[in-house]
Amino acid sequence: QVQLVESGGGLVKPGGSLRLSCAASGFTFSDYYMSWIRQAPGKGLEWVSYISSSGSTIYYADSVKGRFTISRDNAKNSLYLQMNSLRAEDTAVYYCARGDDYGDYWGQGTLVTVSS
Amino acid sequence: EIVMTQSPATLSVSPGERATLSCRASQSVSSNLAWYQQKPGQAPRLLIYGASTRATGIPARFSGSGSGTEFTLTISSLQSEDFAVYYCQQYNNWPEWTFGQGTKVEIK
Repeated sequence: QVQLVESGGGLVKPGGSLRLSCAASGFTFSDYYMSWIRQAPGKGLEWVSYISSSGSTIYYADSVKGRFTISRDNAKNSLYLQMNSLRAEDTAVYYCARGDDYGDYWGQGTLVTVSS
Repeated sequence: EIVMTQSPATLSVSPGERATLSCRASQSVSSNLAWYQQKPGQAPRLLIYGASTRATGIPARFSGSGSGTEFTLTISSLQSEDFAVYYCQQYNNWPEWTFGQGTKVEIK
């Protein structure tokens, strides 16, 4: 069955960096576009970034452009999100999801807390 | 940017009753709309895509309708496991996904 497992979250100071990972299994990872979506505590969902199946096409939300970098390693069935210059407003649960139009499968999420 | 507005914010329904949730887009999104269910501490679960197509494994009591700017998610007979928060999401303005603020369906 399709599984997406995020990791790498934690507590980081403002201005710091963090790298999230998403390990995929149960499907041919290299065939699918992947996305990152986040959810601030008690709030709604916000799309963050998207990467095509080959990694050649990438998009970011304006709120993270220039600070976050999405990437993937199809040989390792893994998706990544490098987050730099973190701000308090980046505090959220970060989900990886399969798909470019909508997420048909989501991971359980990893919590990123940006606080001094 | 397309703004998605859901109503009501909270819907109180008795088990076995029908629930009707609304989602409005600030401009036409054609049929490029998805619905998700999210329970506390869990990831969102895809219910509907293409405005009216049920995702794999979703019970028939969930149905979606609408196109353009007005959409509806109907749960025909609420079961205990259906009490959750529901989000709509447009994907017409690809690649940006825009979500509504959510409707919480609670037990009356």
